[in-house]
Amino acid sequence: NAGVTQTPKFRILKIGQSMTLQCTQDMNHNYMYWYRQDPGMGLKLIYYSVGAGITDKGEVPNGYNVSRSTTEDFPLRLELAAPSQTSVYFCASRPGTMNTEAFFGQGTRLTVV
Amino acid sequence: AQKVTQAQTEISVVEKEDVTLDCVYETRDTTYYLFWYKQPPSGELVFLIRRNSFDEQNEISGRYSWNFQKSTSSFNFTITASQVVDSAVYFCAQNSGYALNFGKGTSLLVTP
Repeated sequence: NAGVTQTPKFRILKIGQSMTLQCTQDMNHNYMYWYRQDPGMGLKLIYYSVGAGITDKGEVPNGYNVSRSTTEDFPLRLELAAPSQTSVYFCASRPGTMNTEAFFGQGTRLTVV
Repeated sequence: AQKVTQAQTEISVVEKEDVTLDCVYETRDTTYYLFWYKQPPSGELVFLIRRNSFDEQNEISGRYSWNFQKSTSSFNFTITASQVVDSAVYFCAQNSGYALNFGKGTSLLVTP
């Protein structure tokens, strides 16, 4: 089972460039999330979605955009990359109930120079 | 606001020692869920346990055990007879609306 798949695994961007981090899950989960992990800071929620066509901001949404056109896919868009967006990004999914754990992708390590 | 506090930033123990990782949470909800995840040096996030607010029974799984106390809003994690393979960052999390709210993590180093 693939679970949650993120691509790419690594990326170096120049300041001002844009890119999309891809995330897809094959578990038919309703909820999907994007987190960023900075050293010593835990995971901070960027955006989340409770179903196709529905997205909402998390704790740190500035500089990012998302869309959820299908249940499976939840891409994260960086429009104008900044050094502050250097981080490890995790996508996660969860069935549509509160009492379930989230399943995480392998992460994308992004460096903005 | 929901908040998860892991006051221990780093812990270092020698193999075979027992170690407890602390987690304190804040919530106004009467129904909530708590989780522990492990992040080994390879970077992936591995789910360890889930606990709901109605179940205060302690849980044991091999060398791992969890102590949930609503009176102190704590959900602590103990590793008995630690091993080098336990070296990782451990995160405590709580459901916050539709998402999970994570603590900052505790980095555990187990040396031979």
